Amino acid sequence: SQTIHQWPATLVQPVGSPLSLECTVEGTSNPNLYWYRQAAGRGLQLLFYSVGIGQISSEVPQNLSASRPQDRQFILSSKKLLLSDSGFYLCAIQGRRLNTEAFFGQGTRLTVV
Amino acid sequence: AQSVTQPDIHITVSEGASLELRCNYSYGATPYLFWYVQSPGQGLQLLLKYFSGDTLVQGIKGFEAEFKRSQSSFNLRKPSVHWSDAAEYFCAVGAGYGNKLVFGAGTILRVKS
Repeated sequence: SQTIHQWPATLVQPVGSPLSLECTVEGTSNPNLYWYRQAAGRGLQLLFYSVGIGQISSEVPQNLSASRPQDRQFILSSKKLLLSDSGFYLCAIQGRRLNTEAFFGQGTRLTVV
Repeated sequence: AQSVTQPDIHITVSEGASLELRCNYSYGATPYLFWYVQSPGQGLQLLLKYFSGDTLVQGIKGFEAEFKRSQSSFNLRKPSVHWSDAAEYFCAVGAGYGNKLVFGAGTILRVKS
């Protein structure tokens, strides 16, 4: 079965510092990969998705970027964090078949101070 | 564009009472619908999904949901709530290319003893 690894689980970073969150997947190949963010008291906002290596689609303009250097690795980055980047970041995968369900990692709680 | 509305931000029910969480969607084609549950600080777990066929779908943990096309609804139900059901519940619709899921804002369920 597929497994999603996200790390770190918790992160406290100062404003203006860089960010790198990593998501790796096991037990599947060629998945669609997603980064979502949950701000306090709000729903899930899709940030980026990728249908293949090096293919990144951004859903909203923001201070973040994503990369997919390998089939089962998805990285979320920022050069300079803002206070508004605080939130709970979730990596998710889906199969290639149309409208399959998404499976989520355990998330990273990012607090920018 | 696809959208999902969960009109109730918070719901409180007594343990043993029945539960219904509302979800309305907007989607031009046949929808693919999902319910997820999230415990505090955790990722999302799939409760159930609707793709086609029988409009009443059964999920894990005793949950069920009914798809009503005429009302654009996909309400989640449970006949008897347990204290362990306290969590946040998200409704989502599958949205085309990239298999993106569009989520509602979530409903926080509190269970009182």
